[in-house]
Amino acid sequence: DTGVSQNPRHKITKRGQNVTFRCDPISEHNRLYWYRQTLGQGPEFLTYFQNEAQLEKSRLLSDRFSAERPKGSFSTLEIQRTEQGDSAMYLCASSDPGGEVEQYFGPGTRLTVT
Amino acid sequence: AQKITQTQPGMFVQEKEAVTLDCTYDTSDPSYGLFWYKQPSSGEMIFLIYQGSYDQQNATEGRYSLNFQKARKSANLVISASQLGDSAMYFCAMRGRGMDSSYKLIFGSGTRLLVRP
Repeated sequence: DTGVSQNPRHKITKRGQNVTFRCDPISEHNRLYWYRQTLGQGPEFLTYFQNEAQLEKSRLLSDRFSAERPKGSFSTLEIQRTEQGDSAMYLCASSDPGGEVEQYFGPGTRLTVT
Repeated sequence: AQKITQTQPGMFVQEKEAVTLDCTYDTSDPSYGLFWYKQPSSGEMIFLIYQGSYDQQNATEGRYSLNFQKARKSANLVISASQLGDSAMYFCAMRGRGMDSSYKLIFGSGTRLLVRP
């Protein structure tokens, strides 16, 4: 069990550019979540996958955001036409099929939009 | 709608003493779960303890215990025998009940704990 991994760990981009983040969950976990955390706040839910199906999206996920989990394993989160307000830590988490208890978080990708 | 409130932005505790971090919640769901996570300065979220709404006993995990008072809708975290490594942000969270039982977590704003030597 290598835990949840996320790449890159840090991303600096200019406003208007597109960025893509990757999350690799714990291998046997079929549930995958994306959260966004801004400075001084708790994480906020963005979207959730069960296997390859995206079952829920937050209203925070504007049409510039898209997430995929094509084979039910790793997931990508893309932000198009980045804005300074997108600067945040993007956290990925996964949980096992029972899903009743804890979600395991990755180390996060810190995005800075200049 | 579910909501988590953490009213202590920051707390100090002397090393080896106990500390209580407050958390209140609001939900209309009859079944829910309450969680505490620790976030050190490195950024990763570390699961500490879980309490189910129907659990009769308060949850304990080593030096962590959860003081669950259902009628008051509170789920305070108690850390006994504080250590310098306990200095971190602590988040209380609730498992929501979204579409298709997504089990998304709803977090409070956190409490920063500093342990003094």
